[in-house]
Formats: sequence, C-alpha cells, structure tokens
Amino acid sequence: EAGVAQSPRYKIIEKRQSVAFWCNPISGHATLYWYQQILGQGPKLLIQFQNNGVVDDSQLPKDRFSAERLKGVDSTLKIQPAKLEDSAVYLCASSSFGGANTGELFFGEGSRLTVL
Amino acid sequence: AQRVTQPEKLLSVFKGAPVELKCNYSYSGSPELFWYVQYSRQRLQLLLRHISRESIKGFTADLNKGETSFHLKKPFAQEEDSAMYYCARKGSQGNLIFGKGTKLSVKP
Repeated sequence: EAGVAQSPRYKIIEKRQSVAFWCNPISGHATLYWYQQILGQGPKLLIQFQNNGVVDDSQLPKDRFSAERLKGVDSTLKIQPAKLEDSAVYLCASSSFGGANTGELFFGEGSRLTVL
Repeated sequence: AQRVTQPEKLLSVFKGAPVELKCNYSYSGSPELFWYVQYSRQRLQLLLRHISRESIKGFTADLNKGETSFHLKKPFAQEEDSAMYYCARKGSQGNLIFGKGTKLSVKP
C-alpha cells in the first residue's frame, strides 16, 4: 500500500514569510497527526485530527500555525508568519482507528523547513 | 505531565556486543509504551510495543513499573541496527509522546 505522502520535502523561507505543507495519509486512515521535530529532539505533536475534526491542538501555536483537514482525507499545515525557531522537520502521520488504539502510527518522510 | 526520558543521546557499541537503550517515563497509571526506529534515509516506524511482549529483529523491551522504565535490549548488536531510536508513550487521545531519541552506532 502507498505510504503517507508529504510535500514539499524541503523549504527555505525568510522570517515573517508564510509556508504551507501538505499531507496525504494512507487510504482509509481516519486519524491524522502533524508533529514538529526540531533538530536533536523527538517529535512533538502539533495537532491531531479524527476524520475532519480536531482531537487535540493544545500544543499548536495558534497565533501563527493553522491546520485543516476539510474532507477528512488530506491535510494542510500553514505557518504565517514564520519565525526562526520554526526551523524543523514537520512530520505527518496517520493511523487507522484500531491503529490509534495500538499505537501504530505510519509516518511520512517529513518536510524540512529552514527559516532564515 | 506525561514525559518520556531517554538519557543517552548517543550509544556506540561494537558488533556482537550487547546493547541497552534506556527509557524512563513519568508515572501515570498504566502507561502504554513503544519503541520507534528511524534508519538512515527511512521513515520513522514502529519497532515494538510493550503490550505485545514481542521480539522484533532480536530486540526486546520489558516494562518495569517499579523503576518506571522501558529499556530496549539486544544481546548481540549488528551493524544494521545503527539508527535513531525513540521511546514513546501513548497520550490520552491516542497520540504518541516521544523522547528525544538515542542514536545507536554499531561499529564493525
């Protein structure tokens, strides 16, 4: 089966600019996650969707980050305006309903953002 | 807060030596714990979960509630085991809370 797809793989922007990342989960997976991974750290959850509803966005910096999953399939994560500390790899993951219970998340390759 | 601590950033061993990657968690009832692995140029993927009590690629991990630990062990390391290893626990909404990771380097 096709894995989680993410684009773009790499993005370089200047601070105060905006950027958007796209994720297409594994077909049929109801749960979608966006994680932020700063260099030297583990992935940190930004937002979790169940179908097109938000389950947890407690760690999403809502003044600059937004995410949507309008049709319950693919998702977009936007940063506007970007700050230097947003430089990170943004990982998208998905899981089936049962997978969320078992802890098996399937990750994409990530989108590496560099903010200058 | 639910936390996962991996005290070692880097662990270097020789091929054939035993390896133990440490993971400690903050106490919170009955945690569900996992090990994820990321090989070079590959995606982050599940290695094993404590509830399965399984051995994957020769790795095992036992949940020790008394010590709040979930260390990953392998008796004889192989060069292909070189990777980043992340310990994770399940959060309240089914998401995963990750540690900072340990880079395992197995030398020939």
